[in-house]
Amino acid sequence: DSGVTQTPKHLITATGQRVTLRCSPRSGDLSVYWYQQSLDQGLQFLIQYYNGEERAKGNILERFSAQQFPDLHSELNLSSLELGDSALYFCASSVGGGKDIQYFGAGTRLSVL
Amino acid sequence: AQSVSQHNHHVILSEAASLELGCNYSYGGTVNLFWYVQYPGQHLQLLLKYFSGDPLVKGIKGFEAEFIKSKFSFNLRKPSVQWSDTAEYFCAVNAHDYKLSFGAGTTVTVRA
Repeated sequence: DSGVTQTPKHLITATGQRVTLRCSPRSGDLSVYWYQQSLDQGLQFLIQYYNGEERAKGNILERFSAQQFPDLHSELNLSSLELGDSALYFCASSVGGGKDIQYFGAGTRLSVL
Repeated sequence: AQSVSQHNHHVILSEAASLELGCNYSYGGTVNLFWYVQYPGQHLQLLLKYFSGDPLVKGIKGFEAEFIKSKFSFNLRKPSVQWSDTAEYFCAVNAHDYKLSFGAGTTVTVRA
């Protein structure tokens, strides 16, 4: 158990819908990262938050957004869902915002039908 | 473009065989290097890391990796694999920014 908690584990929804994925980082970690794992794209970095502020952006679509709350948990919002958004979404956390070890959660498997 | 390359897509071997997985990266400057493992149906777990110092690093479960700066490589090795090592292995690099850039992954299947 990495100490990073993601909910829900599975999510099945329809095209055009909006979903929210939740992540609680390890105790004491200030940074949260979101990654998408799909068969065709592999593991791709989406976005990073550090202590409530956006720190870095990767290959995140405009239909996707995220935020980190004062208690440091983070939410990834995916809207206007398309079939291609079906993937495993991982959250990771680290102590700081630098080149620290990132610990990964178990992921949320999103299926868009 | 910056990238992380893993040489093998799928490796099949028998128990007790030796394993070596190649990883090359194209970043210049100082990098932190990682190998993560993903067992079937599970999340990514850190096997080992290299930040600085001795280029030969030892990780969990008998794995080790060698950083060769001149070759931009960070190859993973295990002298004798077990059936329980069946998993997907990812090389990752943390370079100029804070995100991890992952290789495509290598699926390792160990036959009993």
